[in-house]
Formats: sequence, C-alpha cells, structure tokens
Amino acid sequence: KAGVTQTPRYLIKTRGQQVTLSCSPISGHRSVSWYQQTPGQGLQFLFEYFSETQRNKGNFPGRFSGRQFSNSRSEMNVSTLELGDSALYLCASSSRGRGEEAFFGQGTRLTVV
Amino acid sequence: DAKTTQPPSMDCAEGRAANLPCNHSTISGNEYVYWYRQIHSQGPQYIIHGLKNNETNEMASLIITEDRKSSTLILPHATLRDTAVYYCIVRPVISNFGNEKLTFGTGTRLTIIP
Repeated sequence: KAGVTQTPRYLIKTRGQQVTLSCSPISGHRSVSWYQQTPGQGLQFLFEYFSETQRNKGNFPGRFSGRQFSNSRSEMNVSTLELGDSALYLCASSSRGRGEEAFFGQGTRLTVV
Repeated sequence: DAKTTQPPSMDCAEGRAANLPCNHSTISGNEYVYWYRQIHSQGPQYIIHGLKNNETNEMASLIITEDRKSSTLILPHATLRDTAVYYCIVRPVISNFGNEKLTFGTGTRLTIIP
C-alpha cells in the first residue's frame, strides 16, 4: 500500500508569511501526527489528529495549528513565520488504538529567510 | 512518558552484529519499548517494539531485561545501509483513546564501518 505522502517536499518562505503543509496518511489510518525536527531541538511532537479532532498537543505556540479532513488527510499551518521555524516537518499516520507502529512520511523541509 | 538514555554514537564493522543499548529505568508496567531509526534526511522508520518478552522480526531483535529497565536492539548482520540515528522510545499501551505521541530523545548515531 502507498506510504504517507507529504507535500510539498521543499519550501522557502519569508519571515512574516504563513505556510500550509499537507499530509496524506496511509489508506485506512485515521490518526495523523505532526513533528518538527531541528538540529538544536531534535524531533518534537506538534499535535495529533484523529477523526477530525485534535487529540493531543505539544508545547508549541498558537502560530502552529492543524486540521484533519473527513478523508483523514491533514494540514498544518504556521502563521507569521520566524527564522526559527526553519525545520523538517514530519507527518506520521497510524491505526489508532491498535498498538501499531506509526509510519512517517519523507517530510517537508521548510526554510524561512 | 518514561525517559530513555542512549549512547550518543557507536561504530560497528560491516557484517558484524550491532548491539544498541537503551536504559529506561523509570518505565512503568503499561509502557512498551519501541525502536525507530532515521536515515539522513528521511522520516523515521519503525523497527520493532516489545513489552517484556524478547522480539524478533526481519529487521532486528529486541532483548528486554527481566526488570524491563533496559533493552538492547540487535541488528544481526549490519550493512552500510544501517548507518542511521536509532531512537529508543517508551510509550503507553495504546487504547482506543490512548496517546499516539512519540517522545524522541537524542538517539544513537550508528555508523557502519566498511
């Protein structure tokens, strides 16, 4: 089956702009989680969506938001971009509640200039 | 979630077994041990997980001590493609409304030497 698909793969934005990243989970997976990876902070959990509801949230400012659609596809949005938001943003999908592993996409590399 | 401790880096000769240790001394009874790896600039890849028994799959073996305070991931015949950062993670047993959050530490950077 097809893996987790994230688009776009690379993105360059200017400070102050906003950005929307997309994640299509594996077919049948209803849980989508987002992570930020930077050299300084490593992999950090942003939030998780299940059945269009945010179930869990990491310690990030309100500029980071997300949503999930009825087909389980998810988007995350970052408003008022800062240089420190430059990172690899990873999406993971899983069959929530069944103890199965999370499958990660290749990520979107965001560069803020 | 329980905290894990891993050595920052390890080397292993190609073709030999790579043994990656993880300490999780504060693990509670309802937490699994998961291992993921991340090859440079790719998303993390699931390797294996276990609760208290040793586990083996096509990629690796997981040995968990009887007191569950530490574990070892074994890659039986390491190849150059196994060069990656390996993360040991503990997480609660998943229920229908359980916690899907993975808390990644700094991991072990494993380098396979030709």
